[in-house]
Amino acid sequence: ETGVTQSPTHLIKTRGQQVTLRCSSQSGHNTVSWYQQALGQGPQFIFQYYREEENGRGNFPPRFSGLQFPNYSSELNVNALELDDSALYLCASSLAPTADEQFFGPGTRLTVL
Amino acid sequence: AQSVTQPDIHITVSEGASLELRCNYSYGATPYLFWYVQSPGQGLQLLLKYFSGDTLVQGIKGFEAEFKRSQSSFNLRKPSVHWSDAAEYFCAVGAMEYGNKLVFGAGTILRVKS
Repeated sequence: ETGVTQSPTHLIKTRGQQVTLRCSSQSGHNTVSWYQQALGQGPQFIFQYYREEENGRGNFPPRFSGLQFPNYSSELNVNALELDDSALYLCASSLAPTADEQFFGPGTRLTVL
Repeated sequence: AQSVTQPDIHITVSEGASLELRCNYSYGATPYLFWYVQSPGQGLQLLLKYFSGDTLVQGIKGFEAEFKRSQSSFNLRKPSVHWSDAAEYFCAVGAMEYGNKLVFGAGTILRVKS
């Protein structure tokens, strides 16, 4: 069974650019959640996708958007990058939105210069 | 608003000594409680979780945690720490009513000295 994978591992962008991060969910999981983990902080919930629809959103501006595909993989898009967007972005998949466990990927480290 | 507090940013213990990491939460719904561990450059690994029932839960790697509703706490314990336990530990809270969104504490970095 393949776990949650994320790509790329690391990414460097400049302010104002746009970035797309990718996540492949664990086999059989239809729900993907994205979290932002700034340096020295705990992860913060960005949003969740269930069956290709957004299913809950945290306190993040609209320039953070996402997609979920029919195979339940997901993308996180961030437009107009700001310095404060530098963080580790974690993807987590689960069997359902109310499942009792989320399985986390290794994350994508985004640096905005 | 939901929040999780981990009062200790860093903790250093000697190998073989006991460990307790503190976690307090504020949550408007019936909470589900989790402890995750994160090694450098890695994602989060679930150590244990509490949903209901017995307030003392056992997890992987010899960890346990006790849910105390009266104190809004869910402290993580281990009777004898190994050098490989050095990592960052996160307490998190969720609820069915909030659709599996997790709220995390800021984390506690555990250092193990030999």
